[in-house]
Amino acid sequence: QKEVEQNSGPLSVPEGAIASLNCTYSDRGSQSFFWYRQYSGKSPELIMFIYSNGDKEDGRFTAQLNKASQYVSLLIRDSQPSDSATYLCTLIGNTGNQFYFGTGTSLTVIP
Amino acid sequence: DVKVTQSSRYLVKRTGEKVFLECVQDMDHENMFWYRQDPGLGLRLIYFSYDVKMKEKGDIPEGYSVSREKKERFSLILESASTNQTSMYLCASRPSRGIWPGYEQYFGPGTRLTVT
Repeated sequence: QKEVEQNSGPLSVPEGAIASLNCTYSDRGSQSFFWYRQYSGKSPELIMFIYSNGDKEDGRFTAQLNKASQYVSLLIRDSQPSDSATYLCTLIGNTGNQFYFGTGTSLTVIP
Repeated sequence: DVKVTQSSRYLVKRTGEKVFLECVQDMDHENMFWYRQDPGLGLRLIYFSYDVKMKEKGDIPEGYSVSREKKERFSLILESASTNQTSMYLCASRPSRGIWPGYEQYFGPGTRLTVT
């Protein structure tokens, strides 16, 4: 079983809609969770960080973490064509140093 | 801002050549990483380093070696390039062990290597 599982998509949403990206993980000791955005041909860039259960909001982005269910998600409100990218779910394992990346979900926002 | 730079954005090499990929970070980070990224496979860790002259194998170290003689520089070496090493190579750095904001990985722009 992979440490981090994501639906590879592609996920398509119309402009202005809410995009919901989901991720599950296997290690209950995982401590911190990140969402990176990666445009085609570019390197990943951090957009959200969460380590406590519940929701964390930053502009149009909301990260949600449920450690009991080992589930983390990213909601993008009022989706824009510029949000079209691959989103990588990432976590730090229980050692505090090892990073685990999901394979990414490809999102397309249709104008 | 943290800056991670890689020596080349695009590189074309022939099978059997020795290839050097250089990565430099300017934030005095202890940890540095080399990944390759292929469609459908995501990011795969090749090697990482916790400190100068220290290195640890990642998930796919075969065919690669690394060198870290200075804290800011981490080099990936393909001893004898093969076509299956055609990929996007990403370098990253981060401060030493920690889980809080600021301890995430910072990525360089990537090197797209083609081996013919």
